[in-house]
Amino acid sequence: ETGVTQSPTHLIKTRGQQVTLRCSSQSGHNTVSWYQQALGQGPQFIFQYYREEENGRGNFPPRFSGLQFPNYSSELDVNALELDDSALYLCASSKSGSSYNEQFFGPGTRLTVL
Amino acid sequence: AQSVTQLGSHVSVSEGALVLLRCNYSSSVPPYLFWYVQYPNQGLQLLLKYTSAATLVKGINGFEAEFKKSETSFHLTKPSAHMRDAAEYFCAVRTYGGSQGNLIFGKGTKLSVKP
Repeated sequence: ETGVTQSPTHLIKTRGQQVTLRCSSQSGHNTVSWYQQALGQGPQFIFQYYREEENGRGNFPPRFSGLQFPNYSSELDVNALELDDSALYLCASSKSGSSYNEQFFGPGTRLTVL
Repeated sequence: AQSVTQLGSHVSVSEGALVLLRCNYSSSVPPYLFWYVQYPNQGLQLLLKYTSAATLVKGINGFEAEFKKSETSFHLTKPSAHMRDAAEYFCAVRTYGGSQGNLIFGKGTKLSVKP
């Protein structure tokens, strides 16, 4: 069984640029959630995708957007990068129908914005 | 609204000593609660979960947590700390937003283990 994978591992961008982060869900999972973890903080929910549609969103501006593909993999896109976007971005997959929504996390993508 | 509060951003214990990491939750509905561990430069690994089946929950690596509704607590314990337990620990509560819900995390507690 393949776990959640994310790419790239690390990324350096400059302010104002755009970035795309990728996530492959665990086998058998059809829901993907994205979280932002700033240094020294707990992860914060960005949004969730289920059946290729956004299925819940946290307190993040519209320049954070995403996609889910038919194979349940997902992308997180961030436009007009700001310095505060520097963080570890975590992807988690889960299986719909699970009453407690156990989420399995990938290793994360470390984004640095200069 | 649901939330979790972790008391103590940093806990230090000696190897072999009891580990106690505190988590209090706020929820207007019966909560689903989780503890995750994060090793340096890695993602989150699920330690254990409370889903209302039993108030004492046993997890991996010898950790356990007890759900106490009267105290709105879900503290994580391990009888004897090992050097490999040094990591950051996050308590989380599942929300009921959307059809799947998502997790709200505490700010984390960094556990140091002294030889």
